[in-house]
Amino acid sequence: DADVTQTPRNRITKTGKRIMLECSQTKGHDRMYWYRQDPGLGLRLIYYSFDVKDINKGEISDGYSVSRQAQAKFSLSLESAIPNQTALYFCATSARGGLSYNEQFFGPGTRLTVL
Amino acid sequence: ELKVEQNPLFLSMQEGKNYTIYCNYSTTSDRLYWYRQDPGKSLESLFVLLSNGAVKQEGRLMASLDTKARLSTLHITAAVHDLSATYFCAVERDGGFKTIFGAGTRLFVKA
Repeated sequence: DADVTQTPRNRITKTGKRIMLECSQTKGHDRMYWYRQDPGLGLRLIYYSFDVKDINKGEISDGYSVSRQAQAKFSLSLESAIPNQTALYFCATSARGGLSYNEQFFGPGTRLTVL
Repeated sequence: ELKVEQNPLFLSMQEGKNYTIYCNYSTTSDRLYWYRQDPGKSLESLFVLLSNGAVKQEGRLMASLDTKARLSTLHITAAVHDLSATYFCAVERDGGFKTIFGAGTRLFVKA
């Protein structure tokens, strides 16, 4: 089984709808991240959480919110989706401590299309 | 502001050839990472470079870090088609509170 899973894998929705993307991990990592990927722009950080009680905005948090329900679960919500939020969304995790901490492990991605 | 620039952004090369991908960053960093993304897939970690002069090798790929020049390189030796993918560098600072990805280098190795 995959260590980092995302649901759904694909989603088509309409402008104005509320959407939730979910991420679960079995790696036991404290740190979790949400990124979006757009062609030619690399990955941009939306939100990150370093433990259950810690939530931080990334580069492009406007229009998004998150919830860290447990160490293993981190959800991303689009309260009112708009077409320019069409992108590939990745969840990632990383460990705290050790020589390679913050090496990130990515989920399979969610392809979101907003019409 | 931390900025990360990769070049080239697109690279088409013949099998058997060597080439280098460059990753420049604008401020001091704690760590530098290289990731690989196959088309339609997720990212996977290739290398973690922790300090100045660090060199890591895996198969036909070798990554190095020069923190004084704020430069990391990913060298490809005798490329094969299976190396076709997009390669990202990512620079971390502030104890991991900030990790910025480059735009990625899309590599295509022609058989």
